[in-house]
Amino acid sequence: SQQGEEDPQALSIQEGENATMNCSYKTSINNLQWYRQNSGRGLVHLILIRSNEREKHSGRLRVTLDTSKKSSSLLITASRAADTASYFCATENSGGSNYKLTFGKGTLLTVNP
Amino acid sequence: GAGVSQSPSNKVTEKGKDVELRCDPISGHTALYWYRQRLGQGLEFLIYFQGNSAPDKSGLPSDRFSAERTGESVSTLTIQRTQQEDSAVYLCASSLVKVLTDTQYFGPGTRLTVL
Repeated sequence: SQQGEEDPQALSIQEGENATMNCSYKTSINNLQWYRQNSGRGLVHLILIRSNEREKHSGRLRVTLDTSKKSSSLLITASRAADTASYFCATENSGGSNYKLTFGKGTLLTVNP
Repeated sequence: GAGVSQSPSNKVTEKGKDVELRCDPISGHTALYWYRQRLGQGLEFLIYFQGNSAPDKSGLPSDRFSAERTGESVSTLTIQRTQQEDSAVYLCASSLVKVLTDTQYFGPGTRLTVL
């Protein structure tokens, strides 16, 4: 079953604008990760945020995590056409087999030039 | 350095045939994972190998699916008597020794189409 659920399912913005994607999950986690997938480069790891962290930055990416609400957001600032891709959140659940990642269905981001 | 490679990149087969998919992990990575991604969906965990430990096969959808790994190198995923619902992209990933949470590095995938 899907753990992470991304919202929105699809997002279309103009180059230069910011893009925000959200992820909700159901069970306790060790960490939450965001991945990008496009036809050119396959599935690429973007950023990992641990359950004891609230915010993390990497270049134009900003990730927040609210464990009380079981939700995370990914913000891409100053978007570029090359950011066009599907973005997935994946959770590593606490307890049990903590090496498994459970992926959501993804948000399709289109950045128009 | 070389990333995770998978072959073939595309495979078209007839219903009922067996297929074998191959994954070459990044050299030195002891953990290897197989996932399945159906069209428009996220990734489903299939199986996990870590060193010489018994693999975690809990994600395999049926006994038609099996996977092997030789030591810390190549892995093959075999699907017997393929069905149309097996059509998907099969992704392999590898990561370093599981001491702390490690980033999984994904291969380009094998797109399987069962006619």
